[in-house]
Amino acid sequence: RKEVEQDPGPFNVPEGATVAFNCTYSNSASQSFFWYRQDCRKEPKLLMSVYSSGNEDGRFTAQLNRASQYISLLIRDSKLSDSATYLCACTGNQFYFGTGTSLTVIP
Amino acid sequence: GAGVSQSPRYKVAKRGQDVALRCDPISGHVSLFWYQQALGQGPEFLTYFQNEAQLDKSGLPSDRFFAERPEGSVSTLKIQRTQQEDSAVYLCASSLGTVNQPQHFGDGTRLSIL
Repeated sequence: RKEVEQDPGPFNVPEGATVAFNCTYSNSASQSFFWYRQDCRKEPKLLMSVYSSGNEDGRFTAQLNRASQYISLLIRDSKLSDSATYLCACTGNQFYFGTGTSLTVIP
Repeated sequence: GAGVSQSPRYKVAKRGQDVALRCDPISGHVSLFWYQQALGQGPEFLTYFQNEAQLDKSGLPSDRFFAERPEGSVSTLKIQRTQQEDSAVYLCASSLGTVNQPQHFGDGTRLSIL
């Protein structure tokens, strides 16, 4: 079983829509959680860390549910520029990434 | 430099050749990580250094893969006797402190083995 599981999508949503991604992790001792964004043929870029109390950065909201061992990312008012692959990551002995969820925002 | 720097950006080698990939982390970053990313997959952990110490190399796929960071800054990932399945993007990332802190990635080296 992989440390981190993500629905690969693809998610195709119209501009302005709200979209949510979930990611489950298997190690209950994981301490830190992150969302990364990866554009085609580019490196992953840190989008936001995920804090226990949940956190927001503009149109992006990240939440952590330790009891159910999942993290989520909510994107409100989707823009065309949000089209990318979104990778979740958690830490244990190493840094573990999900396979990524592909998002395409359609005009 | 401001970010993580990797070289070369692209490398084409014939099967059986040895290759060396370089990573220059963000100045002052203690931890350095190497990942392998295949098309359509997330980055897969290869190895991790804290300063010059290689703390975890459990992700290296075979003994053909070797990484070093002798002075605690620049790191080299070496692949000996390359095989076609080694073709992938190799990403390097660094972080300020421990494995629990966010990582910042370089552009990656796209390796193609013919």
